[in-house]
Amino acid sequence: DAGITQSPRYKITETGRQVTLMCHQTWSHSYMFWYRQDLGHGLRLIYYSAAADITDKGEVPDGYVVSRSKTENFPLTLESATRSQTSVYFCASSEGLAGAGTGELFFGEGSRLTVL
Amino acid sequence: AQRVTQPEKLLSVFKGAPVELKCNYSYSGSPELFWYVQYSRQRLQLLLRHISRESIKGFTADLNKGETSFHLKKPFAQEEDSAMYYCALTGSNYKLTFGKGTLLTVNP
Repeated sequence: DAGITQSPRYKITETGRQVTLMCHQTWSHSYMFWYRQDLGHGLRLIYYSAAADITDKGEVPDGYVVSRSKTENFPLTLESATRSQTSVYFCASSEGLAGAGTGELFFGEGSRLTVL
Repeated sequence: AQRVTQPEKLLSVFKGAPVELKCNYSYSGSPELFWYVQYSRQRLQLLLRHISRESIKGFTADLNKGETSFHLKKPFAQEEDSAMYYCALTGSNYKLTFGKGTLLTVNP
């Protein structure tokens, strides 16, 4: 089915380990985003990508790495996980950036990450 | 810097009562405002955007530039409206900034 999918949906890891969250979309949307959702903070942008091989930092990029070698995939890597990175991570995609008239974001179901 | 403030973390109303979810923003230019909604066990999805001037599921929101607000309103709340609501803003940098969200509960 077309859409945006995230994996894994649930992950428990330990401090210091590397974790990669996957995001795949089938619409060929140019823009993709990673947000984290935390109580008391709402949704905060980690990284976004305007196209393959083009990425940029969001509000809270420290401790995260992204890549976009193919339009449809936008993995998020925590190189050395910390407890403060325990969160729900949402991937999203859109045809264009919000403000350009085509900026509706389509969200994945989320990946719940727990760092012990 | 752009900022979105949703002053109420929780809002509880009875079915059939009017509901208003508040959203205030800070942005020096001309912003574009949105409301996103997350129903239980569902994905976050766009509810409405101010440029469309539309009513979705009975909800409306008017951009008030003088008060820098974009409150979401519905005259008669339904139980199925219970959800988490996020106000969001984008400006010239086109990045979407979200508020912290308001959890609406509509009681029977």
